[in-house]
Amino acid sequence: KQEVTQIPAALSVPEGENLVLNCSFTDSAIYNLQWFRQDPGKGLTSLLLIQSSQREQTSGRLNASLDKSSGRSTLYIAASQPGDSATYLCAVSTSGTYKYIFGTGTRLKVLA
Amino acid sequence: EAGVTQFPSHSVIEKGQTVTLRCDPISGHDNLYWYRRVMGKEIKFLLHFVKESKQDESGMPNNRFLAERTGGTYSTLKVQPAELEDSGVYFCASSRQVRTSGRGGPRETQYFGPGTRLLVL
Repeated sequence: KQEVTQIPAALSVPEGENLVLNCSFTDSAIYNLQWFRQDPGKGLTSLLLIQSSQREQTSGRLNASLDKSSGRSTLYIAASQPGDSATYLCAVSTSGTYKYIFGTGTRLKVLA
Repeated sequence: EAGVTQFPSHSVIEKGQTVTLRCDPISGHDNLYWYRRVMGKEIKFLLHFVKESKQDESGMPNNRFLAERTGGTYSTLKVQPAELEDSGVYFCASSRQVRTSGRGGPRETQYFGPGTRLLVL
């Protein structure tokens, strides 16, 4: 049974800092891994999707890496800004199914 | 292109009543998913439609939940009768690609709606 864990659960950093959010999963037979952000009271916004055959994806200040063999993904945020404050969620889809298994998220607060 | 929309945004009902949630996916997306998050827990999958067919309903908690997607367009999720533990946020998502090659791809990006916040008193 696939389980997804995100560490840390919460993170508070000063503006401008580079930071790394971690996601680990127990079953390496994944199809996709998707990172989302969620603002309070809002829906999920897709940030990056990494296919199982890929090692990383980049979008602006965001870079997500995938290491299937170790069951880990990291989301790197460069030069963090107060507008990056949100909950970041990692989700994986596994063999034979389209459904996503979500982690519990990392609540990020970037201080001005 | 309009995103995934959900209605209502909030619903407060009493235990034993019926509530119907609606989701309109992005136009052209054959895949439609329902997820929910109950207080303090992670988001969990409920079910997956491909067009009008239920592909995977392994996450449906019990037979008080009924999902439909007539005509393969919008979907409804009915809870009847609602119980206290049904309170939470119900998300709908859609994606374009129906997997044919056995490998995932970028068109499987799931786009989520804003959610319906359900409170059962």
